[in-house]
Amino acid sequence: AQSVTQLDSQVPVFEEAPVELRCNYSSSVSVYLFWYVQYPNQGLQLLLKYLSGSTLVESINGFEAEFNKSQTSFHLRKPSVHISDTAEYFCAVSEVRIKAAGNKLTFGGGTRVLVKP
Amino acid sequence: GAGVSQSPRYKVAKRGQDVALRCDPISGHVSLFWYQQALGQGPEFLTYFQNEAQLDKSGLPSDRFFAERPEGSVSTLKIQRTQQEDSAVYLCASRRTREGGETQYFGPGTRLLVL
Repeated sequence: AQSVTQLDSQVPVFEEAPVELRCNYSSSVSVYLFWYVQYPNQGLQLLLKYLSGSTLVESINGFEAEFNKSQTSFHLRKPSVHISDTAEYFCAVSEVRIKAAGNKLTFGGGTRVLVKP
Repeated sequence: GAGVSQSPRYKVAKRGQDVALRCDPISGHVSLFWYQQALGQGPEFLTYFQNEAQLDKSGLPSDRFFAERPEGSVSTLKIQRTQQEDSAVYLCASRRTREGGETQYFGPGTRLLVL
């Protein structure tokens, strides 16, 4: 079984300042890693994911996350946030298995980012 | 193209009432998931379908919860004799293949309130 911990439930940040959202996971097998974003009154959308290869992954809107296997972390960062980045962010993992009944996602509790002008 | 749709978007039920929640996945997607999201928490897995086969129902909280996907497309999550603790947002997600690294696309959710 796997678990995901998002250490910060809320992160207030000023516009144009950097932000880091922390995510740590626990699993006995290899995992795929995901960050999803939920804007107010909208559904979950994939922000970025790590499957294999380069440990640094980027999204089209300036976010990046780095997979650190030794620390079992997948922290999300953005060097300069905009008002429009106000949302809830969820880290999730799924097990890498050859025979898998679905590879369900296990989510963290979420981090609410409030960008202030 | 059309994304995942769910209906109804909101449902208020009296305790003890049966409810049915519908999910229309992206056309052609093999995999379909149901998740439950309680207020202030992350989504939690309920059940998984590969085409019409329900391969994992380990997350269903009780035998009052039942899901089906009879023709491998539309899915229905049914909750019998609803209880107050069933109040949550129910999310449906679909994925093009069986591959775990592929993206799950989520619907807007059905917000269920049991009074």
